[in-house]
Amino acid sequence: NAGVTQTPKFRVLKTGQSMTLLCAQDMNHEYMYWYRQDPGMGLRLIHYSVGEGTTAKGEVPDGYNVSRLKKQNFLLGLESAAPSQTSVYFCASSPLTYEQYFGPGTRLTVT
Amino acid sequence: DQQVKQNSPSLSVQEGRISILNCDYTNSMFDYFLWYKKYPAEGPTFLISISSIKDKNEDGRFTVFLNKSAKHLSLHIVPSQPGDSAVYFCAASEQYSSASKIIFGSGTRLSIRP
Repeated sequence: NAGVTQTPKFRVLKTGQSMTLLCAQDMNHEYMYWYRQDPGMGLRLIHYSVGEGTTAKGEVPDGYNVSRLKKQNFLLGLESAAPSQTSVYFCASSPLTYEQYFGPGTRLTVT
Repeated sequence: DQQVKQNSPSLSVQEGRISILNCDYTNSMFDYFLWYKKYPAEGPTFLISISSIKDKNEDGRFTVFLNKSAKHLSLHIVPSQPGDSAVYFCAASEQYSSASKIIFGSGTRLSIRP
């Protein structure tokens, strides 16, 4: 039981490049989330999903897109990376409660 | 406008003593509160939660207190141990609302000194 895994762990992008972050969970959770963590800002919700095939915007969705084609996977895409998207990205999943299980994070730097 | 505030960015406590981490919230609709613990290079892990129908919840060395009238909650760790050194996040939600209503504070870095 791996819990929540994230790929990749680190990435450096140049401004304008695109990439996809992959999140996978093996706990059969309905809900999945993408957060970003910036110094002094805590965790801010980017997008979330309440089930396979559904997605919704969170607090800071601009510049990101998501897809949840399979229940166990939640993808976060950056179509044209900007320096303001330099951050640590966390994926989380939860059953129908509010106790979320987080992945180890992806550290993204955009130059 | 931060709805969940952790006003102390850092806290240093001697091993064996009590650690008290504080959290304030502004949204009176919040009725479920959680604490998460985060080590460097790892994701946050759930620690303890409390519903607004209670004013205290204990789990081993960890106790969370809720003061609804003051919109304030605190996490007590007794006794503090070196492994407690981590960043602690407070989070709040409306229990029967959508998943997007979970709001995190900015975190408090706890250091336990020998």
